[in-house]
Amino acid sequence: GAGVSQTPSNKVTEKGKYVELRCDPISGHTALYWYRQSLGQGPEFLIYFQGTGAADDSGLPNDRFFAVRPEGSVSTLKIQRTERGDSAVYLCASSPGGAGGETQYFGPGTRLLVL
Amino acid sequence: AQSVTQLDSQVPVFEEAPVELRCNYSSSVSVYLFWYVQYPNQGLQLLLKYLSGSTLVKGINGFEAEFNKSQTSFHLRKPSVHISDTAEYFCAVNIRDDKIIFGKGTRLHILP
Repeated sequence: GAGVSQTPSNKVTEKGKYVELRCDPISGHTALYWYRQSLGQGPEFLIYFQGTGAADDSGLPNDRFFAVRPEGSVSTLKIQRTERGDSAVYLCASSPGGAGGETQYFGPGTRLLVL
Repeated sequence: AQSVTQLDSQVPVFEEAPVELRCNYSSSVSVYLFWYVQYPNQGLQLLLKYLSGSTLVKGINGFEAEFNKSQTSFHLRKPSVHISDTAEYFCAVNIRDDKIIFGKGTRLHILP
């Protein structure tokens, strides 16, 4: 079956604009994660969904960042009033049930550049 | 809080030579340990993971890692590297049903 897909693969925007990044997880996976990877760094956790609800959003850097997963499948990460510091690769991952130690399957990422 | 330290940001090694990528973690509770690999222009892929039991874990592409609880380490090894192993390698920990905490990564350069 298909893996995790993310769209767009690249997004260039201007400072102050609003962007939406989409993640389509592996079918049947109830757990979905968003991470952000800056240049030269490992991925940093942003938010975790179990089904439709955000079970842990402790990694969201501020209230400009918001994510939804209304039907328990596709998720959208929304960034308001983008800043140059938001430039990074945004990674989405999914896992079957979200249990500890479960393998998370990653998408190819969306590369966001804020000018 | 948990943390992961990858001591080497870059490791150059000759083709067919052995390699060890070092990883140390910090946690006050038991953890699950992972190594992920990111090939150029590709997404993160699981190499191997330690959940419990035998401390020597074998993964894909001939890699293995050893969990050492007393030294809080989970070093990755391969006896003979190939040019196709050129990639960035991330050590990571997870304690329950949410986030994975990643190290900063080690870039493996294979020299001809």
